[in-house]
Amino acid sequence: GAVVSQHPSRVICKSGTSVKIECRSLDFQATTMFWYRQFPKQSLMLMATSNEGSKATYEQGVEKDKFLINHASLTLSTLTVTSAHPEDSSFYICSAWTGPLRNTEAFFGQGTRLTVV
Amino acid sequence: AQSVSQHNHHVILSEAASLELGCNYSYGGTVNLFWYVQYPGQHLQLLLKYFSGDPLVKGIKGFEAEFIKSKFSFNLRKPSVQWSDTAEYFCAVARDSSASKIIFGSGTRLSIRP
Repeated sequence: GAVVSQHPSRVICKSGTSVKIECRSLDFQATTMFWYRQFPKQSLMLMATSNEGSKATYEQGVEKDKFLINHASLTLSTLTVTSAHPEDSSFYICSAWTGPLRNTEAFFGQGTRLTVV
Repeated sequence: AQSVSQHNHHVILSEAASLELGCNYSYGGTVNLFWYVQYPGQHLQLLLKYFSGDPLVKGIKGFEAEFIKSKFSFNLRKPSVQWSDTAEYFCAVARDSSASKIIFGSGTRLSIRP
């Protein structure tokens, strides 16, 4: 199947610093990627839709100035957590469709565990 | 707003027992339905999906799900579970469009006693 890769898989940062997470589609082009957040023992919460070449679309309640999304190419989307605080500690996951909805499925990255100390 | 409900938070079964996990969604339009599984320490994997056609969908590892439009439900079933089925199961919904965001249910943790 198609591969979506996230980097880093784990990151620990100090409170107040910024962290960038990369999401790459390795063997297909993704005009749209999605960023999710998963709290311990909870479901995935959709944060935003990342659109190649345009601004991301954020879900209600997600601070766009805090979670900066850039989708500069068809194979790369980045999520930057700015001025991170301990409450931003979470598991962040990206996903992308390989093609038209009905003919394929969404593939998920392996996730990035962010710990803010 | 679109939502997905999984009423069972944690299910505990013995090996060889039958499984049914409930999933209901709230969206009146055309939807595409999914079940994903997350094994401990691993990322999400697709179990099965429904787009159209036969409402009884067969997936991997012996899982199946039935789409009942009148009940807005898409329950997951397996006739005989194994210890290796221990995992978190997520029901998900996407609107029928070219690049659609997937909305997940809260998940059901399945624990199988050997």
